[in-house]
Amino acid sequence: AQSVSQHNHHVILSEAASLELGCNYSYGGTVNLFWYVQYPGQHLQLLLKYFSGDPLVKGIKGFEAEFIKSKFSFNLRKPSVQWSDTAEYFCAVNANTDKLIFGTGTRLQVFP
Amino acid sequence: DGGITQSPKYLFRKEGQNVTLSCEQNLNHDAMYWYRQDPGQGLRLIYYSQIVNDFQKGDIAEGYSVSREKKESFPLTVTSAQKNPTAFYLCASSIRQGTEAFFGQGTRLTVV
Repeated sequence: AQSVSQHNHHVILSEAASLELGCNYSYGGTVNLFWYVQYPGQHLQLLLKYFSGDPLVKGIKGFEAEFIKSKFSFNLRKPSVQWSDTAEYFCAVNANTDKLIFGTGTRLQVFP
Repeated sequence: DGGITQSPKYLFRKEGQNVTLSCEQNLNHDAMYWYRQDPGQGLRLIYYSQIVNDFQKGDIAEGYSVSREKKESFPLTVTSAQKNPTAFYLCASSIRQGTEAFFGQGTRLTVV
């Protein structure tokens, strides 16, 4: 069955630190990959997505993610986080145009 | 404004009662989804629909029911058979299965 793993459950960083959140999925076929963010009190919104092409995708607010097919991974990165990046981050996978499955989420806290 | 509307934002029900959560979209999207969000468990798929008059069970469909009589509406009924109904429920839609999903603000259901 299709599944998504986010190994970092809670990450605490100081402002200007670099961020990398892991995401691994279990499906060997064609996948569409997404990262969503949920700021406190707000609805989920899309950070970035990968369907095909360049495996390094750039999203909003300086975020980027790299699709590594051989590792079944789609890690999220940001070179320098800000206090306003405090939120919960979700990786999601859609395999072969089937249902959209989410990971358990990573709670990021950034301190000034 | 285009978007997804979930109502109400907060809902309280007594144990043993069925309750229906509303989800309406005016984005002309074919696909719609219902997720349940619990702390530490991410978003878990309850039901999804790719087209009017058709829907499929997600990973945790037991105790829930849906209908898709109109393209813009995908109501979720939480029945008395759902053992742990207190949760945050999120509705989403996408142009078609496999593409970016847009989320509503959610309904927080509390069963007492």
